[in-house]
Amino acid sequence: DAGVIQSPRHEVTEMGQEVTLRCKPISGHNSLFWYRQTMMRGLELLIYFNNNVPIDDSGMPEDRFSAKMPNASFSTLKIQPSEPRDSAVYFCASTVEGWDYSNQPQHFGDGTRLSIL
Amino acid sequence: AQSVTQLDSQVPVFEEAPVELRCNYSSSVSVYLFWYVQYPNQGLQLLLKYLSGSTLVKGINGFEAEFNKSQTSFHLRKPSVHISDTAEYFCAVKRYTGNQFYFGTGTSLTVIP
Repeated sequence: DAGVIQSPRHEVTEMGQEVTLRCKPISGHNSLFWYRQTMMRGLELLIYFNNNVPIDDSGMPEDRFSAKMPNASFSTLKIQPSEPRDSAVYFCASTVEGWDYSNQPQHFGDGTRLSIL
Repeated sequence: AQSVTQLDSQVPVFEEAPVELRCNYSSSVSVYLFWYVQYPNQGLQLLLKYLSGSTLVKGINGFEAEFNKSQTSFHLRKPSVHISDTAEYFCAVKRYTGNQFYFGTGTSLTVIP
């Protein structure tokens, strides 16, 4: 079975450029999460969607970050303009949520390693 | 509010020795408990989970964890570690209701030959 698929795996770009990270959740999962991982701050939840609707975006660092989920099989995380302090590994995770599925684990993609020069 | 504490940021252990990685949580409501492992340059993978029933849970790769409600702990153990167990380990909790997972800060396990 295909897991959570993220692209690209690595991204190196210059400060000020727009960066778009992509995620395809596991088919049938209805909740999607974006995390950022750094040595200093560990694993941070940025935003999560349920049934394609953003439920909690309180972890989004600032207005330069935006996330969308236009359909059940695709989500993007965009940074515009990017800054060196955005350098991190960004993970996407998905799970199935609902009355009978409250105990389901999250499944993670392999992440996008982002370096802003 | 929920919080997860992993007291040990780094744990070195010799190959074939036993290991315990500690996890304590605080929550005013009932939660599900999880352990994840992260190998270098990879995402987090589920090791095991406690949902209900027996407090001793067995996972993949010979790991097990014990849920202790009175001490609000969920420590991870392995009786004999291998070099391949070198990785970062994360404890997480999830409330019975709601979507969000709460992760600990991780424990870096290094197995020494």
